[in-house]
Amino acid sequence: GNSVTQMEGPVTLSEEAFLTINCTYTATGYPSLFWYVQYPGEGLQLLLKATKADDKGSNKGFEATYRKETTSFHLEKGSVQVSDSAVYFCALSRSTGANSKLTFGKGITLSVRP
Amino acid sequence: GAGVSQSPSNKVTEKGKDVELRCDPISGHTALYWYRQSLGQGLEFLIYFQGNSAPDKSGLPSDRFSAERTGGSVSTLTIQRTQQEDSAVYLCASNIGGGLLNNEQFFGPGTRLTVL
Repeated sequence: GNSVTQMEGPVTLSEEAFLTINCTYTATGYPSLFWYVQYPGEGLQLLLKATKADDKGSNKGFEATYRKETTSFHLEKGSVQVSDSAVYFCALSRSTGANSKLTFGKGITLSVRP
Repeated sequence: GAGVSQSPSNKVTEKGKDVELRCDPISGHTALYWYRQSLGQGLEFLIYFQGNSAPDKSGLPSDRFSAERTGGSVSTLTIQRTQQEDSAVYLCASNIGGGLLNNEQFFGPGTRLTVL
């Protein structure tokens, strides 16, 4: 079956530090890959996505590249801000049919200190 | 346009009682999903509705869980004879559906269920 593995957390960084959050997946076929973010007190929202190999998703300074050869979708940001403190979830969905149910990783909490 | 709404936001119940959780998807969204977010299991898919098609119930953890979607809009998730391990945040999401692949799901704020 499909699965997503994220690096263990939590992660604490100083402002302006470089961020990498690792994500690898196991899936049949060619899934689409997503990063969702949950800010404190808010609902889950899409951060970025990539739908095929070598695609790069980007948003709010975050980037992730769909690497089929390593089955990875690592999230990076060059300079984090305090406002990036949140829980980050890597996810995938099937690439066929209308049912795009998501399989999530366990999430990782990022805290950025001033 | 309002986003996905869920009610109640918090529910505390006693073990053995039944609970109903409600989801109002974004108007015009034909696809609706329920997920559960718990400390031990992370975020798990529960059930998917698309229009008048038979729902995908493959994620429901036991026969105590059921869901329906009336008129292709509002959905209710029912948990019968609740157990302490049912304590979690139940999230609802919707998207345009209709065969568009991998379009963004929009999530509601969730219902936090606590079973005493």
